[in-house]
Amino acid sequence: EAGVVQSPRYKIIEKKQPVAFWCNPISGHNTLYWYLQNLGQGPELLIRYENEEAVDDSQLPKDRFSAERLKGVDSTLKIQPAELGDSAVYLCASSATGDTEAFFGQGTRLTVV
Amino acid sequence: AQSVTQLDSQVPVFEEAPVELRCNYSSSVSVYLFWYVQYPNQGLQLLLKYLSGSTLVKGINGFEAEFNKSQTSFHLRKPSVHISDTAEYFCAVSGSYSSASKIIFGSGTRLSIRP
Repeated sequence: EAGVVQSPRYKIIEKKQPVAFWCNPISGHNTLYWYLQNLGQGPELLIRYENEEAVDDSQLPKDRFSAERLKGVDSTLKIQPAELGDSAVYLCASSATGDTEAFFGQGTRLTVV
Repeated sequence: AQSVTQLDSQVPVFEEAPVELRCNYSSSVSVYLFWYVQYPNQGLQLLLKYLSGSTLVKGINGFEAEFNKSQTSFHLRKPSVHISDTAEYFCAVSGSYSSASKIIFGSGTRLSIRP
């Protein structure tokens, strides 16, 4: 069974440019998460979806960040415009109903220069 | 609300020595507890979890952890480490009233193994 797939693995962009990350969760997992991991820190939740509904986006900086999960399967996280402080690893995870843990993708490492 | 404190940011040990990575949590409700491992440039992989029952939990790669409710701790241990255990280890907590919806992570402990 394929795990959570994220792309790209690495992205380097100039500040003020837009960037998008894509995530395909494990088949059948209705819950999808986007986490932000700064260097030397643990992951912090940005947004959680139950199917196509964002049920927890309280930590998402909505002035520049947006996310969508239109068909309740894969998801896109966007930053526009990117700032130097957005350099981090963006992790996607998924879980099925009744799961007690989340399953993580390999992450996208973003560098803003 | 829950929180997690990992008491050591870095732990250096010699190969084949035992290791303990410390984790304390705070919660006003019953909790699930987890240890995840992150190898360089990889995502997080579940090592073990405590849901209920026996307080000693065994995980993959020879790791185990003990849930101590009175001390609100969930320390991770391995009796003999290998070079391949070099990684970042994250303790995490969620309220047991829900599924995996609110997993809170600690800041991580970097385990470095010396030959």
